[in-house]
Amino acid sequence: SQQGEEDPQALSIQEGENATMNCSYKTSINNLQWYRQNSGRGLVHLILIRSNEREKHSGRLRVTLDTSKKSSSLLITASRAADTASYFCATDFQNTGKLIFGQGTTLQVKP
Amino acid sequence: ETGVTQSPTHLIKTRGQQVTLRCSSQSGHNTVSWYQQALGQGPQFIFQYYREEENGRGNFPPRFSGLQFPNYSSELNVNALELDDSALYLCASSLGTAPPVFGPGTRLTVT
Repeated sequence: SQQGEEDPQALSIQEGENATMNCSYKTSINNLQWYRQNSGRGLVHLILIRSNEREKHSGRLRVTLDTSKKSSSLLITASRAADTASYFCATDFQNTGKLIFGQGTTLQVKP
Repeated sequence: ETGVTQSPTHLIKTRGQQVTLRCSSQSGHNTVSWYQQALGQGPQFIFQYYREEENGRGNFPPRFSGLQFPNYSSELNVNALELDDSALYLCASSLGTAPPVFGPGTRLTVT
């Protein structure tokens, strides 16, 4: 079963706009990770945030984590057409690499 | 360093048949995890192998089995295929607590 929900399920924006995706989960976690998937192929790791962190940045990506609400958000700033993909959050309960994924957000960035 | 590779890329099987999927882990990685991703869903954890031993299993029946070899490559075997087994099967390798590296996946269609 999935760990939680992601919203929105689909998002369509213009190039240059920001995209925000949200993820909620159910159990306590060691860390939460965000992945990108292009056209139903392999997953690319984007960023990892630990349970004792509240915010993390990597290039145009900003991730927040609120453990009291069991939720996380991924912000992509100044989006590009190449950012078009599905984005998944995944939680790792005990830092074992056994990930539980959300259902994903499909992002379309129009040029 | 080479990444994670999977074979075959695609295959079509008939209900009731058996299938073996293969994964070569990234150089230096000693842990392999397998995931099943149905169309439009997030990946679901099948099982993990660490140094040739099963190290955790998700909610999948025993007809899903695996192996890990001394070189840390891995196989996923599925017996008595069902239509619902049609999915993208993803292999991910890791070392320690670093985020896993995913392969491109094998697309299995059961008719």
